[in-house]
Amino acid sequence: IAGITQAPTSQILAAGRRMTLRCTQDMRHNAMYWYRQDLGLGLRLIHYSNTAGTTGKGEVPDGYSVSRANTDDFPLTLASAVPSQTSVYFCASSLAGASSGDEQFFGPGTRLTVL
Amino acid sequence: ELKVEQNPLFLSMQEGKNYTIYCNYSTTSDRLYWYRQDPGKSLESLFVLLSNGAVKQEGRLMASLDTKARLSTLHITAAVHDLSATYFCAVANAGGTSYGKLTFGQGTILTVHP
Repeated sequence: IAGITQAPTSQILAAGRRMTLRCTQDMRHNAMYWYRQDLGLGLRLIHYSNTAGTTGKGEVPDGYSVSRANTDDFPLTLASAVPSQTSVYFCASSLAGASSGDEQFFGPGTRLTVL
Repeated sequence: ELKVEQNPLFLSMQEGKNYTIYCNYSTTSDRLYWYRQDPGKSLESLFVLLSNGAVKQEGRLMASLDTKARLSTLHITAAVHDLSATYFCAVANAGGTSYGKLTFGQGTILTVHP
């Protein structure tokens, strides 16, 4: 693999169900990010991680959790999905930490629909 | 709190014409990025602007940054259909709890027609 992969590509989920979106990068980047994209709102940061073992909250963290057990993987979990979490989710990474303002590279996205 | 606004949000252009997309931001920053997104696809990095007065060009696109005016422009020269996409600017926060994080504009949906 090269770059960032995300799984699944798309998912339809019943409200109240738990869901984990997966993200893997092979660029040995230190920082990783999760964004949601909604029409007219651009991309909004959900959570980020500066390096393995650390995570931080972004602009819209409520209802989401993340973990960073190693450099490559950064899963995003919705503990109990709600319809307002219907969105397209993008994982991104940057070589330097999140505080550097470094260029970010994006995965292909996961389209999630919560009914 | 950093706010980033793009103008216009929708742009319908005729092939061969020139136009400019504007990206205004509300607080000091000296790092700005332009991304392109095709429908149903991911974001592709176009330009990285890291200082006042920075100008980058790639093909028919040219981006500039004026940190004093808190403004970046993306200029399109002699548009072609292949440029049809959504364009985002993203600004790095220069202070507060969001230091370094990127704040995105709403995106400009560009359609180039014959």
